[in-house]
Amino acid sequence: GAGVSQSPSNKVTEKGKDVELRCDPISGHTALYWYRQSLGQGLEFLIYFQGNSAPDKSGLPSDRFSAERTGGSVSTLTIQRTQQEDSAVYLCASSLGRGALNLNQPQHFGDGTRLSIL
Amino acid sequence: KNQVEQSPQSLIILEGKNCTLQCNYTVSPFSNLRWYKQDTGRGPVSLTIMTFSENTKSNGRYTATLDADTKQSSLHITASQLSDSASYICVVSGSGAGSYQLTFGKGTKLSVIP
Repeated sequence: GAGVSQSPSNKVTEKGKDVELRCDPISGHTALYWYRQSLGQGLEFLIYFQGNSAPDKSGLPSDRFSAERTGGSVSTLTIQRTQQEDSAVYLCASSLGRGALNLNQPQHFGDGTRLSIL
Repeated sequence: KNQVEQSPQSLIILEGKNCTLQCNYTVSPFSNLRWYKQDTGRGPVSLTIMTFSENTKSNGRYTATLDADTKQSSLHITASQLSDSASYICVVSGSGAGSYQLTFGKGTKLSVIP
């Protein structure tokens, strides 16, 4: 499809398990972002990838969170030893980015993965 | 600390009526301000993006305004439709290093009723 695709759309798992969330950005978009959206809160920045540059991981809340982007396209966000406070919607977005960024470009969001930790 | 405050938190209006949503921000230095619409269970969709030099931008029945001096923005919805029921999120981008780290408001939840 033409949009950002995320999978799974819903994930329910037990506390302590590891989960892996996937994001397929729009083809040709070099910038990719992960956000977390908790109920009643604004989107929280997690990590940013731009082309082949080192990602900005400054938003990751703990070392249980990690993300990678293979071949400049698909990205996976991994949460190890999940905790109940990890329950949220995880959103991925992509945008055009050239060199140091084209900041006025819109971000295109996927529909998110709703993660529930029991 | 960069902040984006939106008001009201929620709003109910009758179909066909107009409404205005407010956004105040403290992001500095400022690059651009975005309004997104987020339907329940979906990702946000961009409505408008305004830079420092723009003070109004329209997208169909949606008109956004920006006053960079007072750091305020509004989103006006004309002749509301049931499909306008959604959360509307104001997002501000700073400039310079790390400016891709957008600051998101918590959104205004709009309900349009028949």
